[in-house]
Amino acid sequence: GENVEQHPSTLSVQEGDSAVIKCTYSDSASNYFPWYKQELGKRPQLIIDIRSNVGEKKDQRIAVTLNKTAKHFSLHITETQPEDSAVYFCAAVDTNYGGSQGNLIFGKGTKLSVKP
Amino acid sequence: ETGVTQTPRHLVMGMTNKKSLKCEQHLGHNAMYWYKQSAKKPLELMFVYNFKEQTENNSVPSRFSPECPNSSHLFLHLHTLQPEDSALYLCASSYDEGLPGGYTFGSGTRLTVV
Repeated sequence: GENVEQHPSTLSVQEGDSAVIKCTYSDSASNYFPWYKQELGKRPQLIIDIRSNVGEKKDQRIAVTLNKTAKHFSLHITETQPEDSAVYFCAAVDTNYGGSQGNLIFGKGTKLSVKP
Repeated sequence: ETGVTQTPRHLVMGMTNKKSLKCEQHLGHNAMYWYKQSAKKPLELMFVYNFKEQTENNSVPSRFSPECPNSSHLFLHLHTLQPEDSALYLCASSYDEGLPGGYTFGSGTRLTVV
């Protein structure tokens, strides 16, 4: 099945700096890679996702890049703000699942702290 | 609310108790999931239901018993749990048609087993 590794486990940056979180996956057939943000005491929320037919996707200060050959994808946050502080989870589809959807297998999460 | 509602939000139960967690969605999704979130661990997939049929049981102990009476409701029945089962239990839902898409999570049930 799919195995997702996420690094770093904690990340501290100054407000205005950029933050990068990296994930690797093992299932070469995986075709969907979402990122979730979980604020303290709240539910995980989808912030951006990328499909395997593109290499990069951007949404304002957030971008995700995908390298299918190397089987890794990254989340980039520019001009960080204190409200970006949260735990971020990457995920990848486990294509061994029999349904058309596949199950999402999550990384262990990265706790991002943005210091004002 | 995002459209996925979980009850109760908090639950304390003894090891001999029987309780149930409830998840409800009115997003028109046809796949529903139970995830366990423990401290310092990734979100662990427990069960998957697709069009009310259980399609995945990720080696979960039998003291956890899921039930999906229809595409909008999902239950997790608990009995004779252990203290190490204390965790946040998250329900999620999604479409299961064509390309995969993101999940919508509920707020979770914080379970404490004493």
